[in-house]
Amino acid sequence: EDQVTQSPEALRLQEGESSSLNCSYTVSGLRGLFWYRQDPGKGPEFLFTLYSAGEEKEKERLKATLTKKESFLHITAPKPEDSATYLCAVTRGSNYKLTFGKGTLLTVNP
Amino acid sequence: DTEVTQTPKHLVMGMTNKKSLKCEQHMGHRAMYWYKQKAKKPPELMFVYSYEKLSINESVPSRFSPECPNSSLLNLHLHALQPEDSALYLCASSQTLGTGREQYFGPGTRLTVT
Repeated sequence: EDQVTQSPEALRLQEGESSSLNCSYTVSGLRGLFWYRQDPGKGPEFLFTLYSAGEEKEKERLKATLTKKESFLHITAPKPEDSATYLCAVTRGSNYKLTFGKGTLLTVNP
Repeated sequence: DTEVTQTPKHLVMGMTNKKSLKCEQHMGHRAMYWYKQKAKKPPELMFVYSYEKLSINESVPSRFSPECPNSSLLNLHLHALQPEDSALYLCASSQTLGTGREQYFGPGTRLTVT
């Protein structure tokens, strides 16, 4: 059974304190790993798609990386507006259904 | 432009009411999805449309009835809902129904069933 595990469940940072969120997966035939950001009461906002081990993508203060077993979302010098829940999801083989992790709630204090 | 719009933003309905949720995208996407999200949980897939045809129904109760009038619009008709159906309902779209395709979500409709 496909499994996506995100850690930590919650992370509290001071503004400017860089850190990483982890998404580990047990999926055979990974076709895509997706990162989303979700603000309370809003829909998930697409951030990145990673397809193969070694791939990296960046957007502003965020950088996503992928290995054969996990993905990291690195947040450099975070600001309070980066506070949100970050969701990781995967698709595999011919199955287009997103399998989500439970998310990491990030709080950045000023 | 990667915008999916949903109306209404909030909806309160009684268990005997009939209401509809609407979703629209103008990205030329040919796959559209309905998700349900409960508090502190990830989204759960309900229905998938591909080229305006229903491709997947994730064993959703018949009190939820999806409709895809054209390639830009997706509706979810609600009837005789239960209080446990209260949730955030999300619409999403992707270029086509293919694995590895990113899905773009709308802002959601917060549904409360009384």
